[in-house]
Amino acid sequence: DGGITQSPKYLFRKEGQNVTLSCEQNLNHDAMYWYRQDPGQGLRLIYYSQIVNDFQKGDIAEGYSVSREKKESFPLTVTSAQKNPTAFYLCASSASGPTSQLSTGELFFGEGSRLTVL
Amino acid sequence: EDQVTQSPEALRLQEGESSSLNCSYTVSGLRGLFWYRQDPGKGPEFLFTLYSAGEEKEKERLKATLTKKESFLHITAPKPEDSATYLCAVLSSGSARQLTFGSGTQLTVLP
Repeated sequence: DGGITQSPKYLFRKEGQNVTLSCEQNLNHDAMYWYRQDPGQGLRLIYYSQIVNDFQKGDIAEGYSVSREKKESFPLTVTSAQKNPTAFYLCASSASGPTSQLSTGELFFGEGSRLTVL
Repeated sequence: EDQVTQSPEALRLQEGESSSLNCSYTVSGLRGLFWYRQDPGKGPEFLFTLYSAGEEKEKERLKATLTKKESFLHITAPKPEDSATYLCAVLSSGSARQLTFGSGTQLTVLP
């Protein structure tokens, strides 16, 4: 089945530690995204990538880093510089990126990773 | 700056009791308005895209409509399995061209 796989589903981190969230897609989509979801707030964009080896900051990129070495993979690292990292993290993909004229805004989401800082 | 406001924040309905969810928006050039459904602890699932005022889309008990300032998600004779959070998002032709999401309406349908 085609889709997006995020891991781990639950993650606990001590303050001062970096953690990496995995996101893999087999939809052959060009664009991939990371969103953060907090209670009572809309999804906020952290980073997105429209092609391999290129990515752009979203609205809340501070304290996060990403890489896009393969089309299928877009891991997110939550660094110790992120002041309030406890949240639900969602990875998504789309056939074309947001600046493409072909962009439809239809995103396919993974099941999410819940990060808790102890 | 694009803005999306959803109301109400939460809605409880009895099974069979029809209602509507509202999504009001301000954007610099609407390219599309999107409805997603999100179950607890899961990622959102795409429902509809609306591109222009007057457009309507239907799927089972759900119907989405669009005006120049807002969209409605009408739920007809809901069932308990329709319980979820419904998210609205807009894509604008502004420089960012990123989706802007509302905070969602949490719908509970009681049997």
